[in-house]
Amino acid sequence: DIQLTQSPSFLSASVGDRVTIACRASQGIGNFLGWYQQKPGKVPRLLIYGASTLQSGVPSRFSGGGSGTEFTLTISSLQPEDFATYYCQHLNSLFTFGPGTKLDIK
Amino acid sequence: LQMQESGPGLVKPSETLSLTCSVSGIAITTNSYYWGWIRQPPGKGLEWIGAISYSGSPNYAPSLNSGVTISVDTSKNQFSLKLSSVTAADTAVYYCARGIAIFSMVLAGMDVWGQGTTVTVSS
Repeated sequence: DIQLTQSPSFLSASVGDRVTIACRASQGIGNFLGWYQQKPGKVPRLLIYGASTLQSGVPSRFSGGGSGTEFTLTISSLQPEDFATYYCQHLNSLFTFGPGTKLDIK
Repeated sequence: LQMQESGPGLVKPSETLSLTCSVSGIAITTNSYYWGWIRQPPGKGLEWIGAISYSGSPNYAPSLNSGVTISVDTSKNQFSLKLSSVTAADTAVYYCARGIAIFSMVLAGMDVWGQGTTVTVSS
């Protein structure tokens, strides 16, 4: 089974910062990866699929990259509403989630 | 499009957890989608349980495979989850969600989610 790991687990940053979250797959998965944002008590929101395709309505400050086993989610300039937990998800056959990265305010 | 989970909020250990997801705004028989279940234990991350398409077989997370059944009821435009022999570790918020199919068993993400329903396993 393909396992996803994320780093870091926790990240403190300030409004305006550029941040990058990493997701690593235990074996190559092509570009079959998605990213989600979840705020406390809220439903997860799809941000990116196909490793780098922005879901409709998602601000352009979010971007995704990578392929194979190494993937990244970058927020170019943090806004107050971006402080949340971010999850990656494998999008081929077994739709496993990564363990999450909690992004909070420094 | 809306999705809404329903079912008992309390289940006894060793019993079967049964949840239903009602879909409105789109026919569940549409071939472009998968219909999935995801759960989130208190204070923890998301765990994918399984998914089904109208025309295909369900697939399940290997860690839960033997106790999980996902099925579709086209007459009610619903799909359901059954999880047998539950323990306290199955206490979680359970979400249903729609996956956009690119190919068979390949998604462009899960774009619509229900609000989630809390299930507690306790005697």
